[in-house]
Amino acid sequence: DTGVSQDPRHKITKRGQNVTFRCDPISEHNRLYWYRQTLGQGPEFLTYFQNEAQLEKSRLLSDRFSAERPKGSFSTLEIQRTEQGDSAMYLCASSLAQGTDTQYFGPGTRLTVL
Amino acid sequence: DAKTTQPPSMDCAEGRAANLPCNHSTISGNEYVYWYRQIHSQGPQYIIHGLKNNETNEMASLIITEDRKSSTLILPHATLRDTAVYYCIVRVHSAREYGNKLVFGAGTILRVKS
Repeated sequence: DTGVSQDPRHKITKRGQNVTFRCDPISEHNRLYWYRQTLGQGPEFLTYFQNEAQLEKSRLLSDRFSAERPKGSFSTLEIQRTEQGDSAMYLCASSLAQGTDTQYFGPGTRLTVL
Repeated sequence: DAKTTQPPSMDCAEGRAANLPCNHSTISGNEYVYWYRQIHSQGPQYIIHGLKNNETNEMASLIITEDRKSSTLILPHATLRDTAVYYCIVRVHSAREYGNKLVFGAGTILRVKS
């Protein structure tokens, strides 16, 4: 399968713990996006990378959240000191910055904070 | 905020065409209309996009009005597996570095019934 992959698919954690999610984009894609989706809502943008540079961050991305894309390939999203309000689906998408620049999404990581 | 308006829900009989409308009255000349769908607990799936001409691919057809203020996504022969939330999004096609995020609204819940 050559689509976007995310790991883990599900994560249950206790409030106050740190969690880290991984996203592997489509191999030739140089743009990578993180979105968050809560129940009954559409996805909301969190942050965006072009190659290894983080170019845009939403105000939703509090200082407990950090994202990296160290070599311009896979990306990680870390949440420190998780809160119950962090419970959501975390979605990753990738695109190629030429032509249609269409974003393709991964299956998401469902986070439950107890 | 999303720049599109969609009905909250629609029903369609299996085997019939599903026509999903979208209003985007403030669309700019350089903005494209994109459609994604999201089947329960999965990541959004890209369907189709267009600028001003009608478009067709193996999944659907996109009809854009001449004034570009509205569009319709057509699934020609809906099946039960097409039951999903359908999102209509307008965005700029660009190789520029900023402003490429997708802004999702609430979408339309399409229920295909046998």
